[in-house]
Amino acid sequence: DTGVSQNPRHKITKRGQNVTFRCDPISEHNRLYWYRQTLGQGPEFLTYFQNEAQLEKSRLLSDRFSAERPKGSFSTLEIQRTEQGDSAMYLCASSLELSTGELFFGEGSRLTVL
Amino acid sequence: DAKTTQPNSMESNEEEPVHLPCNHSTISGTDYIHWYRQLPSQGPEYVIHGLTSNVNNRMASLAIAEDRKSSTLILHRATLRDAAVYYCILRAPRSEKLVFGKGTKLTVNP
Repeated sequence: DTGVSQNPRHKITKRGQNVTFRCDPISEHNRLYWYRQTLGQGPEFLTYFQNEAQLEKSRLLSDRFSAERPKGSFSTLEIQRTEQGDSAMYLCASSLELSTGELFFGEGSRLTVL
Repeated sequence: DAKTTQPNSMESNEEEPVHLPCNHSTISGTDYIHWYRQLPSQGPEYVIHGLTSNVNNRMASLAIAEDRKSSTLILHRATLRDAAVYYCILRAPRSEKLVFGKGTKLTVNP
């Protein structure tokens, strides 16, 4: 399968714990995006990488959230000291270049904070 | 970011055409109109995009009004697998960000 891969698909954690999600984009894609989606809402933009550089961050991304893409390939999204309000689906997407207009999304990582 | 307005839900019958409307009265001259859909328990999937002219691809057609203040996504023959939430999104030419609304939930009846 050469699509965008996300792990883990599901994570249940207790409030206050740290969690990390991984995204493996399509191999030749230099752009990588993280979105968050809560029930009944459309996805909300969190952050964007071009290669290893994090070029844009949403105000939704509080200090407890950090994203990295160390070698311009896979990316991790870490949430520290999780809160119940962090419960959501975390979606990763990648694209080759802006002009194509097409983002390829993974199936998401669902976080439940108890 | 310019805003889009879509109906919350629509219904269609299998093998009939479906026209999904989107209003974007504040669109700027350079915004692209993108459509994505999200099937249950999956990430969004690109459907089509356009700027001024009508566009066709294997999945759908996009009809853009002459004043660009509205557009319509056309599924020529709906199948049960087309049941999804359809998002109409405006994207500025150099913007990396897609701003999703709540979309239109399409139900396809057998």
